[in-house]
Amino acid sequence: KQEVTQIPAALSVPEGENLVLNCSFTDSAIYNLQWFRQDPGKGLTSLLLIQSSQREQTSGRLNASLDKSSGRSTLYIAASQPGDSATYLCAGGTSYGKLTFGQGTILTVHP
Amino acid sequence: DARVTQTPRDKVTEMGQEVTMRCQPILGHNTVFWYRQTMMQGLELLAYFRNRAPLDDSGMPKDRFSAEMPDATLATLKIQPSEPRDSAVYFCASGLALAGGDNEQFFGPGTRLTVL
Repeated sequence: KQEVTQIPAALSVPEGENLVLNCSFTDSAIYNLQWFRQDPGKGLTSLLLIQSSQREQTSGRLNASLDKSSGRSTLYIAASQPGDSATYLCAGGTSYGKLTFGQGTILTVHP
Repeated sequence: DARVTQTPRDKVTEMGQEVTMRCQPILGHNTVFWYRQTMMQGLELLAYFRNRAPLDDSGMPKDRFSAEMPDATLATLKIQPSEPRDSAVYFCASGLALAGGDNEQFFGPGTRLTVL
């Protein structure tokens, strides 16, 4: 059974700082790894998806990496902004689309 | 702009009442997922469908929850009878699962259920 853990549970940084969010998973037979953003009271927005055959994906200031052998993924946010404040969730996916979520990291970027 | 839609967005009901939540997946997607989110448990998978067939509903309390896909444009999640512990946000997600594909999932805005 896949288990996904995210650390830290919460993170507060000043604007402009580069930061890393961590995600670990127990089953290396992962099909993909998806990072989501959730704003308070809202649904989940997909940020990046990394296939098991890939090492990283980039979108704007976001970069996600995947290391299957160590069971880890990281989400790197460059030059953080107050608008980046949200909960970030990672989820490990199977070949038929089933996702197992971590508990999330609550990010606060203060001006 | 293709999106997953869910209705209602908010539902307040009394214990024992029936609750039906609806989801319209993105046109062309062949997988539909129902998740429940609570502060204590986080996001939990309740059930999912592929090509309208239920593949796994092991996450659902079978005695009171049921999930169906009457057609490709509608998925329903029903709770009967509802209990206060069912209070949560229920999310529907859809995706296109193809051999070798990325299987990315797209989430709806959720239904916030409060059972008094």
